[in-house]
Parts: sequence; structure tokens; C-alpha cells
Amino acid sequence: GQNIDQPTEMTATEGAIVQINCTYQTSGFNGLFWYQQHAGEAPTFLSYNVLDGLEEKGRFSSFLSRSKGYSYLLLKELQMKDSASYLCAVQDSGYSTLTFGKGTMLLVSP
Amino acid sequence: GAVVSQHPSRVICKSGTSVKIECRSLDFQATTMFWYRQFPKQSLMLMATSNEGSKATYEQGVEKDKFLINHASLTLSTLTVTSAHPEDSSFYICSGAQGSNQPQHFGDGTRLSIL
Repeated sequence: GQNIDQPTEMTATEGAIVQINCTYQTSGFNGLFWYQQHAGEAPTFLSYNVLDGLEEKGRFSSFLSRSKGYSYLLLKELQMKDSASYLCAVQDSGYSTLTFGKGTMLLVSP
Repeated sequence: GAVVSQHPSRVICKSGTSVKIECRSLDFQATTMFWYRQFPKQSLMLMATSNEGSKATYEQGVEKDKFLINHASLTLSTLTVTSAHPEDSSFYICSGAQGSNQPQHFGDGTRLSIL
């Protein structure tokens, strides 16, 4: 079966750095995606990792360790608009099908 | 790039009504489109996967006769909720991917409320 775990909620202060972890146990692995979802809106693609290591994209970075079944999303210089749910999703086959975690609700306070 | 348009954004209708939701990829050809349902404070649950010109693949527990999916072209997929009931009220989101190993790009979602 597929199992993706991430914390339910996190809080952080504006300007700070926050790391959102994701662990997965899937029947196969063909890549890991991070999405941002604001309340009442559809998810927006943030990052994609298929090889071990760190992918950096502006204020956001994502890390993957396939041997540990582990990823994290790092958000730097937090802004109020970063308050949202962050979804970890694994592609377990050569097709595009994703299995989503339950999401981590991040609240950024002033 | 990679814009997916979903319409309508909100539907409120009476029980027993059938509702059609459209999903279009505007600037790319989506060989595969996905339909999700999301209940409040829960994650996205995949309902079905559709490939252009072939029958959709439904996830376990999703009634294919109730949720009709048509993927007539590389840029359009439709989901029809037939004889909708209050328990079908949810946030329905479509996504498209250009191919395997490509990120899914999501439409803005349709909030369906059945009275």
C-alpha cells in the first residue's frame, strides 16, 4: 500500500525559516512533488525531486533521500502569504498518477 | 505555461440534478487528465485517471456510472456527476500532465453544493 506522512500543522514567524518533512512508503518510486494549496483553491506546483539531493528554487528548496523514503520542503524568509497547506505527493510508477499526503497546514504569524 | 482551466468554479443545485464540469489544458496537450475530490480539511483523493480517446480508470470505491468521464481530445476532459445527492457535495479538482514524470497542473477547482 501507499503511505505518506507529514505533520498536520506547523507555525512559524514572518522572516523565519521552516522545514516541512515528508516520509513515504510506496510500492514504487518515480518522483516526489511538493504543492502549495491555499484555502479554497487548487494546488500549485512547487517542486519535483527524482534524484537524491537538494533542489533550490528561490525561497523554496526541496530535498530527497530515496534510501530513507524522506523529503523535506524548506521555506526561507517566510511571508504572510506563505500561510497555506503544503502537500507532499509521490509518483509511484512511470505514469503521472500521484498519491498525496494529507498536507501540512503552515501558519505564518507577524 | 501549463495552465489548466476548470469550469464552472461553483455549482449549487438541487438533489437529483446532473452536473457537468469541464477541464481544459490551455497551452499544452494533456495526454493524461486526473479528477480529484477533496472534502474539507482532507487531502486530495484521486477519483479517476483518463487518457485521451480511451476509457477512464476509476479508483476503488468510485462509481463509474455515477461519475462519467470523457476525454475527447488532448485538451479537454469532462466529469459529469449524474443524479447528484448532498453527499456528493465536495471540491472537485482536475489536473493535466504532459506525460509521465511531468508535474500535474491543476485547474482552479469546482465547489459543488447539492441541496
